[in-house]
Amino acid sequence: EVQLVESGGGLVQPGRSLRLSCAASGFTFDDYAMHWVRQAPGKGLEWVSGISWNSGSIGYADSVKGRFTISRDNAKNSLYLQMNSLRAEDTALYYCAKAYTHLSSSWYNYWGQGTLVTVSS
Amino acid sequence: DIQMTQSPSSLSASVGDRVTITCRASQGISNYLAWYQQKPGKVPKLLIYAASTLQSGVPSRFSGSGSGTDFTLTISSLQPEDVATYYCQKYNSAPLTFGQGTRLEIK
Repeated sequence: EVQLVESGGGLVQPGRSLRLSCAASGFTFDDYAMHWVRQAPGKGLEWVSGISWNSGSIGYADSVKGRFTISRDNAKNSLYLQMNSLRAEDTALYYCAKAYTHLSSSWYNYWGQGTLVTVSS
Repeated sequence: DIQMTQSPSSLSASVGDRVTITCRASQGISNYLAWYQQKPGKVPKLLIYAASTLQSGVPSRFSGSGSGTDFTLTISSLQPEDVATYYCQKYNSAPLTFGQGTRLEIK
């Protein structure tokens, strides 16, 4: 059974940093691209970032470019999102999503339950 | 960047109705389009990929069509459990933009 378990969310002050993790199991992690998608309270889905199977292809939304860094450790079956210079508008539920293929340009067939990030003073 | 625009933003229909949701891309994306369903308080669920391919386990009353810039998600006979927000997403290249969502309610 595919499982994606996000962690690392919490309350953080504007301008500070946070690192999210996504622990994957139930599939061969290094065969698939992975993504982060967020959803602000009461709002729609927003793609944040994606990374291909071998980290060779990485993309970011304009809203987070230069502040967020996606990475993965295939040996640990884990996906990460380093979030720096956080802003109030980054407050959201952050989902980890598994792509259907090894390429970052793919739909998602599995999602985690999400981890909540709240940016507030 | 390519923008994805869904219409309508919200929709109320009766059980048994045929429901159609539209998604328009600001530039052509071939058939690199997926549809997701998100029920209140739940994680999004994949319904359709490659514009018209039904994900395994999804009821056959759901269907997708379109290519290029104009896409539709159709529910042939609306059921109470279909109350949800529906999102389209382009995935041909980054950014993998979502539409703003269509909230579907039962009349």
